Amino acid sequence: DAGITQSPRHKVTETGTPVTLRCHQTENHRYMYWYRQDPGHGLRLIHYSYGVKDTDKGEVSDGYSVSRSKTEDFLLTLESATSSQTSVYFCAIRSLAGETQYFGPGTRLLVL
Amino acid sequence: GENVEQHPSTLSVQEGDSAVIKCTYSDSASNYFPWYKQELGKRPQLIIDIRSNVGEKKDQRIAVTLNKTAKHFSLHITETQPEDSAVYFCAALTGANSKLTFGKGITLSVRP
Repeated sequence: DAGITQSPRHKVTETGTPVTLRCHQTENHRYMYWYRQDPGHGLRLIHYSYGVKDTDKGEVSDGYSVSRSKTEDFLLTLESATSSQTSVYFCAIRSLAGETQYFGPGTRLLVL
Repeated sequence: GENVEQHPSTLSVQEGDSAVIKCTYSDSASNYFPWYKQELGKRPQLIIDIRSNVGEKKDQRIAVTLNKTAKHFSLHITETQPEDSAVYFCAALTGANSKLTFGKGITLSVRP
């Protein structure tokens, strides 16, 4: 599974609270991605990173921020969670040499 | 930006029959097209991919075809089995930082 872990795997939180999800990889991949998956929408890109401290927005970035201070960790932060951010969040990695993206196990987030 | 459409949204076949899932894309610069299979509660897993310089690729019971002129690509599964039941996502890769755009997914059900 390409050495990708996500934490936490499940989280319940309340509207207005900050939430940080972590993606950790062990294989020194340059590219890392955060997606959200919702019924009827497939997988949508939130933010991605192409190197340490190099990040950019995806198609659904409003309400989310990211940070990558070291190669192995890519953090996704919901500054003030809303019910519309209830979703399953997947991290993915891609190596510099290849095109294929491999997904982490996902985090189920419920915002009440 | 790229737009990937996937039709139909559900497909039911009898065990042993073939299944064909079609996707269309909009950006002629897209050059890599992966297919992912996602079982319930699991992460998306790559099952096959094709690059724009190839018209067809086969791996055992699974094949993918690409028509660049018409901007569509299809997943073919022969001799379907109940374990093929899952959600299948197509995607197209565009851009220097390799952003994948996903279709909304199709639920394949294989009836025993």
